[in-house]
Amino acid sequence: EPEVTQTPSHQVTQMGQEVILRCVPISNHLYFYWYRQILGQKVEFLVSFYNNEISEKSEIFDDQFSVERPDGSNFTLKIRSTKLEDSAMYFCASSGLAGVEQYFGPGTRLTVT
Amino acid sequence: KQEVTQIPAALSVPEGENLVLNCSFTDSAIYNLQWFRQDPGKGLTSLLLIQSSQREQTSGRLNASLDKSSGRSTLYIAASQPGDSATYLCAVILMYALNFGKGTSLLVTP
Repeated sequence: EPEVTQTPSHQVTQMGQEVILRCVPISNHLYFYWYRQILGQKVEFLVSFYNNEISEKSEIFDDQFSVERPDGSNFTLKIRSTKLEDSAMYFCASSGLAGVEQYFGPGTRLTVT
Repeated sequence: KQEVTQIPAALSVPEGENLVLNCSFTDSAIYNLQWFRQDPGKGLTSLLLIQSSQREQTSGRLNASLDKSSGRSTLYIAASQPGDSATYLCAVILMYALNFGKGTSLLVTP
């Protein structure tokens, strides 16, 4: 069964460093998403991406964040200068169409020290 | 702003019981509603999607209902098993973004 994959599973970085989180969405899906979950809190939407453009973003997704689909299979989230409060589990998701079932990857745990 | 609330926050039941998890949302202008399961430290597994035009969706021992007008959804789990122990999340889909509740933590004891 097709699945969303994410690498790395755990990333430790120092405050102020840049990190890139990687995702491979399900191959025939067209819509891609990033969410985050701070420990003990609910899952929060960051951004959605379609046709090489951001289709929606939340207030969390400020200028420190960017997304890219560098090739036909990968989807990345970059955080330019990490802060302690960026420590969270980051989930990638994909869907075939907008507004339908989203499938999530296993997540990348980001720890900023 | 859409608010999604899940009650109860935690639930413990003996194996074999039928149970109901509740989800409410404040804005009925949703596309769809999706139920997920999350195991500790793991990703989200999609359980059921209910389209806004549907009132019910079933998968095995799971049955989810949706009442858009009252802003409510329920997830019914029949004949619970210890393997059902996890956090159950509901999320409403507006257009692109999923808006999640905080979840119900379920423990099924043998």
